[in-house]
Amino acid sequence: GAGVSQSPSNKVTEKGKDVELRCDPISGHTALYWYRQSLGQGLEFLIYFQGNSAPDKSGLPSDRFSAERTGGSVSTLTIQRTQQEDSAVYLCASSSTISNQPQHFGDGTRLSIL
Amino acid sequence: GESVGLHLPTLSVQEGDNSIINCAYSNSASDYFIWYKQESGKGPQFIIDIRSNMDKRQGQRVTVLLNKTVKHLSLQIAATQPGDSAVYFCAETPPLQKLVFGTGTRLLVSP
Repeated sequence: GAGVSQSPSNKVTEKGKDVELRCDPISGHTALYWYRQSLGQGLEFLIYFQGNSAPDKSGLPSDRFSAERTGGSVSTLTIQRTQQEDSAVYLCASSSTISNQPQHFGDGTRLSIL
Repeated sequence: GESVGLHLPTLSVQEGDNSIINCAYSNSASDYFIWYKQESGKGPQFIIDIRSNMDKRQGQRVTVLLNKTVKHLSLQIAATQPGDSAVYFCAETPPLQKLVFGTGTRLLVSP
């Protein structure tokens, strides 16, 4: 498709398990972002990738969170040893450049930790 | 970290009314601004953008106003419809930096 694609759309897992969330950005977009959104709240920035530059990890809440972007396209956000407070919607966005261009969002992965 | 609101402010309007959603941005150097609409269960959707060399931009039923003097951005929706019910986010971009999102406003449209 033409838009940002995220999978899975929903994920339910037990506390302590690791999870991987996937994002397929719009083709040709060099910038990719991950956000977290808790119920009824705004967007919390987690990490972004811009081309071949080192990623900006300043928003990652703990060392249990990591992300990679292989081949400048698909990205995976990994949460290790999940906690109940990790329950949220994880949104991915991409843009053609980092600034002065809109970010285009996927519909997110709803993560529920039991 | 980025701005995260605990309780979203809510604007309630009647169908057919005009809606005005306001946003105060934080960085006087920001030169690009966007409004997003987020419906339940979906990701934010781009509505309209404006650059700092403009003070007004119009789209289909929407107008964005930018007042750089007081760092204020507004989104006007004409003839609001039930389908406009959503959470609206403003976002600003300081030069050469990533978007910074506001806390969001929930718009409720009653038939």
